Amino acid sequence: ELKVEQNPLFLSMQEGKNYTIYCNYSTTSDRLYWYRQDPGKSLESLFVLLSNGAVKQEGRLMASLDTKARLSTLHITAAVHDLSATYFCAVDYAGNNRKLIWGLGTSLAVNP
Amino acid sequence: DADVTQTPRNRITKTGKRIMLECSQTKGHDRMYWYRQDPGLGLRLIYYSFDVKDINKGEISDGYSVSRQAQAKFSLSLESAIPNQTALYFCATSDGTPAANEKLFFGSGTQLSVL
Repeated sequence: ELKVEQNPLFLSMQEGKNYTIYCNYSTTSDRLYWYRQDPGKSLESLFVLLSNGAVKQEGRLMASLDTKARLSTLHITAAVHDLSATYFCAVDYAGNNRKLIWGLGTSLAVNP
Repeated sequence: DADVTQTPRNRITKTGKRIMLECSQTKGHDRMYWYRQDPGLGLRLIYYSFDVKDINKGEISDGYSVSRQAQAKFSLSLESAIPNQTALYFCATSDGTPAANEKLFFGSGTQLSVL
């Protein structure tokens, strides 16, 4: 069965702290995405990870991919309130988004 | 103006009614998708279309149909709505070129409630 599991599902953290969100997936895939969704809003793409060892960074967010462990991480450095959102990972099992399996999302609240 | 526009933003309807959700895009993308989002279930693909003449079922197409009227327009219909189709529906597009890595661009969503 194709599965994508994120943890934690809920995360409350203080501004200035660091934390990591984990995304585990069940079967080999060469493509993994991270998306962000603000409350009541649409989703926007953060990162596309295409190969083992891939690392992408944007501001305080850094994503990495270990295809051998079937694991991606989204690391938050020195969190700020503006990062409060729900973060989704999605794994493309068949190419071209034809079988894009989504994690349930990690709801992040960054508190002053 | 939004690149991917969905109408309506909210809709309340009754069981058995026919409903159409519309999506239009100005991104010039060939590929369009319909997803539904349910709390605790994440996003699931309903239908996708890689060009005007190409329509494909996703993982949960039962009870839904689609029409790709033009490159820029992709509509989703619920022929006879039922309460478990209450969800947030998203339209998305992607550029089919390898350089774009198939990342999705989403509309603002349509919250549908079936009573």
